[in-house]
Amino acid sequence: DTEVTQTPKHLVMGMTNKKSLKCEQHMGHRAMYWYKQKAKKPPELMFVYSYEKLSINESVPSRFSPECPNSSLLNLHLHALQPEDSALYLCASSQGFSNEQFFGPGTRLTVL
Amino acid sequence: QKEVEQNSGPLSVPEGAIASLNCTYSDRGSQSFFWYRQYSGKSPELIMSIYSNGDKEDGRFTAQLNKASQYVSLLIRDSQPSDSATYLCAGTIYNQGGKLIFGQGTELSVKP
Repeated sequence: DTEVTQTPKHLVMGMTNKKSLKCEQHMGHRAMYWYKQKAKKPPELMFVYSYEKLSINESVPSRFSPECPNSSLLNLHLHALQPEDSALYLCASSQGFSNEQFFGPGTRLTVL
Repeated sequence: QKEVEQNSGPLSVPEGAIASLNCTYSDRGSQSFFWYRQYSGKSPELIMSIYSNGDKEDGRFTAQLNKASQYVSLLIRDSQPSDSATYLCAGTIYNQGGKLIFGQGTELSVKP
């Protein structure tokens, strides 16, 4: 059983839609992450939240907007995405920056 | 030079053999290293973490870290077809706030 949950598992959206991805961790971790992964590539870091504050933003386009309502929840709001944004979006959490990161099952996003 | 490099493979071994996966890193300040297993279409699953020089064993898996030579390896003994997956080496880079840097992944195929 994964202790990092993500919803939805699959999402299909048009380029004018607004949608949100949700992530919750049940391990009492203080850092949470969003990654984007394309086929046959490693995960690419998008955002890092530590103690509910954005600490690293890897210059991600503004059509991706993260939100951290509390230490166990992390959302990713999506607006006006492009077809090239289609990918597997992964959430992860860790106790601290040098500790193991545990990944959720991911959301498979398709932008039409 | 990439910060974390892996042989991209694919690596093919017969069932029951030892699979050896290797990874090198460029930043001597790197602190922690991790091996993730990723099945096709699934999220990365942490299988080993190693923080200090030497070997660490967990069941059929042994991780080795040599900070002087800047390499990390993963040995899988008695390989099974269920071990067929992509293995991602990752390290936290001290001078990047502990950001997790992934290698490109090595695809392992275990033939019955």
